[in-house]
Amino acid sequence: KNEVEQSPQNLTAQEGEFITINCSYSVGISALHWLQQHPGGGIVSLFMLSSGKKKHGRLIATINIQEKHSSLHITASHPRDSAVYICAVLQGAQKLVFGQGTRLTINP
Amino acid sequence: DAGVTQSPTHLIKTRGQHVTLRCSPISGHKSVSWYQQVLGQGPQFIFQYYEKEERGRGNFPDRFSARQFPNYSSELNVNALLLGDSALYLCASSLGGQFTGELFFGEGSRLTVL
Repeated sequence: KNEVEQSPQNLTAQEGEFITINCSYSVGISALHWLQQHPGGGIVSLFMLSSGKKKHGRLIATINIQEKHSSLHITASHPRDSAVYICAVLQGAQKLVFGQGTRLTINP
Repeated sequence: DAGVTQSPTHLIKTRGQHVTLRCSPISGHKSVSWYQQVLGQGPQFIFQYYEKEERGRGNFPDRFSARQFPNYSSELNVNALLLGDSALYLCASSLGGQFTGELFFGEGSRLTVL
């Protein structure tokens, strides 16, 4: 079993829908990153969380340390949100472990 | 301001050869980390360097090595290439020596081993 599990692996939705991507981890962590990867490979950092909730535009990230679970929500989804979303957990100060990614496709 | 730059963007090697990949961090960033991403999988952590010292190492064989230069740029070297080394190699820079701040990624170097 991977230390970091994301669900779903693939998600297709219509423009405007509310999107939720989940990340569960089995180890103690000091922080969690949500990343966005577009075709071609470039990765953009969306959020870094150690507790609670963060919001940036239409994106919301939450984390529950006790339940070892984080969610990434996208409100009013748009085709430009189509990408692979990756969760990465920080163990200690220097070990970053990544999930396998969730491929999101938003159809117009 | 330039972001994280990596070179080369694409390269093809044959088994047994050696490869050097380069990364220039964002100006002012002192930490560089390297990741391997095999097609269809999430990235895997290879190395982190901060202030020219290795701060972290993932579960990769000794064929993989790296270094950081006084200007904070970095090189990743892979010796005796195997077919399984074919992947996208990503570099990220950050301000501090821990991953508790924002990470800035380059576009990656796509390595194909034939």
